[in-house]
Amino acid sequence: DTAVSQTPKYLVTQMGNDKSIKCEQNLGHDTMYWYKQDSKKFLKIMFSYNNKELIINETVPNRFSPKSPDKAHLNLHINSLELGDSAVYFCASSRGGTSNQPQHFGDGTRLSIL
Amino acid sequence: AQTVTQSQPEMSVQEAETVTLSCTYDTSESDYYLFWYKQPPSRQMILVIRQEAYKQQNATENRFSVNFQKAAKSFSLKISDSQLGDAAMYFCAYRSLVVADKLIFGTGTRLQVFP
Repeated sequence: DTAVSQTPKYLVTQMGNDKSIKCEQNLGHDTMYWYKQDSKKFLKIMFSYNNKELIINETVPNRFSPKSPDKAHLNLHINSLELGDSAVYFCASSRGGTSNQPQHFGDGTRLSIL
Repeated sequence: AQTVTQSQPEMSVQEAETVTLSCTYDTSESDYYLFWYKQPPSRQMILVIRQEAYKQQNATENRFSVNFQKAAKSFSLKISDSQLGDAAMYFCAYRSLVVADKLIFGTGTRLQVFP
């Protein structure tokens, strides 16, 4: 069983559209994250949620709106997509509060903006 | 703010040989955690090894070991008996105890393994 699953794996869409990426984890973790990996493979945190509450928002444009309906889900909605949003987006989860617990990553969603 | 630097964009190694990937970091904190993640072409992010800064003993996981030099803020990864399946991007990552809810990644090292 996949521990952290993201859908879709690939997303191709036009500039200006709105799209969502879903993430679910079945590990019983209470903290979830979104990371963005750019074309140069650089990975950077976007958001983290602990028990459905936003903990970190790393100066991400407000076109990006995460939503956590429960501890097992953290979805990412993006409005008015721009060319610069093309990237691979990774969802991750961990047991919060103890920093030595590793983050478990999903397989990523490759978003391509035409 | 903490930073993580991987100065080797690419490395290569012959199968069965040993290779060391470098990572340095900058922090004013005394306690933190360090990780190495592997990203094969399949795009998955796979945890390779982790090290707690308060532990002097270097972490090992089978063929993977680290050389953790806290004073020098260095955290290199040694892969012994390299295998073709080790070919991937390797990312070094830092996790603070103060702001624990994110990983700070280096820019990655692409490792090629030749038969």
